[in-house]
Amino acid sequence: EAQVTQNPRYLITVTGKKLTVTCSQNMNHEYMSWYRQDPGLGLRQIYYSMNVEVTDKGDVPEGYKVSRKEKRNFPLILESPSPNQTSLYFCASSFGGGFYGYTFGSGTRLTVV
Amino acid sequence: QKEVEQDPGPLSVPEGAIVSLNCTYSNSAFQYFMWYRQYSRKGPELLMYTYSSGNKEDGRFTAQVDKSSKYISLFIRDSQPSDSATYLCAMDEGGSEKLVFGKGTKLTVNP
Repeated sequence: EAQVTQNPRYLITVTGKKLTVTCSQNMNHEYMSWYRQDPGLGLRQIYYSMNVEVTDKGDVPEGYKVSRKEKRNFPLILESPSPNQTSLYFCASSFGGGFYGYTFGSGTRLTVV
Repeated sequence: QKEVEQDPGPLSVPEGAIVSLNCTYSNSAFQYFMWYRQYSRKGPELLMYTYSSGNKEDGRFTAQVDKSSKYISLFIRDSQPSDSATYLCAMDEGGSEKLVFGKGTKLTVNP
């Protein structure tokens, strides 16, 4: 089944404790992207990647890091999480960018206390 | 003015009603327009996409784009309870990675 898999689905952590949210896709997609979704603010892009070793900032990159060492994986790293990073996170992948449609993962609900 | 504006609703309609969902935008460079549907506790899924101005129909769904007015719409005919979800408009300048989403409209179709 073609899918984007994110782990974990739910995570509660403490301020300052480094964490990684993993994302993997099995569709051989070039494009991958991370979004966060917050009430009243909608989906906002954090980082995106157009190919292996090619990443760039989205609209809200502060406090996040990403890497794209393999085509299928695009982990999101929070080096020192803060409470304002409490959010619902989605990883997405696409064959050729927005027009082709992104396939989204099921989301990771992160709470930072 | 935000780049993409979408009325958050919520919108509640009886089963069988025609639903109209709308977005306005300010960036005249947008060329590709999409509608995503997001069920509760799920990721968004692509419902329809349209290039430039015009209409596109897929079953009970019709997407319209009016670039002169910077206005896009999604119509749902004969709405069903299974259509209850949040609908997000999205657009970009040209098959890029820079997809901009509206905030979403929450729709409930009552049996």
